[in-house]
Amino acid sequence: AQSVTQLDSHVSVSEGTPVLLRCNYSSSYSPSLFWYVQHPNKGLQLLLKYTSAATLVKGINGFEAEFKKSETSFHLTKPSAHMSDAAEYFCVVSDPSTGGSYIPTFGRGTSLIVHP
Amino acid sequence: DAGVIQSPRHEVTEMGQEVTLRCKPISGHNSLFWYRQTMMRGLELLIYFNNNVPIDDSGMPEDRFSAKMPNASFSTLKIQPSEPRDSAVYFCASQGQGVSNQPQHFGDGTRLSIL
Repeated sequence: AQSVTQLDSHVSVSEGTPVLLRCNYSSSYSPSLFWYVQHPNKGLQLLLKYTSAATLVKGINGFEAEFKKSETSFHLTKPSAHMSDAAEYFCVVSDPSTGGSYIPTFGRGTSLIVHP
Repeated sequence: DAGVIQSPRHEVTEMGQEVTLRCKPISGHNSLFWYRQTMMRGLELLIYFNNNVPIDDSGMPEDRFSAKMPNASFSTLKIQPSEPRDSAVYFCASQGQGVSNQPQHFGDGTRLSIL
């Protein structure tokens, strides 16, 4: 069984300050983990993914995430927030189900608010 | 790459009417997912197809909802009869198959309002 918990429903930062969005997961397998971003009135867009290669994963728009197996965490960070980063962020865990398919489980989302 | 294409982008209709949402996945992708997103329940998986075959429809809320994938390039989600509580944003996502896990690619969604 797999599950994912996003620890904050809202995170508020000032422009130019660091961003930390927290995610913990549970998985019976070696998981694949993803972060997606959703801007208003748009679909979800892939930010980055971890699939058992390097534990520090770099994504688009300056975001990165570190896979920590001992802590079952996959937190998303960015050194300096931009106004355009204001959006909803989803952490996703995926296991291989029977037949080799991957059915993902989405977190509830974290709304990132960026103040000028 | 045209991405996942959903139509219509917006739909407003009266309760009791039939609603059909359409999705064209990315060419070459063999998995397709339908999701519903609301403020109250977040993102919910409704149904999942692999190679055009429905694999898991346990998320379909009730018999008023049905989904089909007649070929690899087209899928529909139908609600008949529609009810106000069906108002939500409906997303389609497609996924390729590979040795490693592939990410999902989402359309921009259909915003459905049932009056």
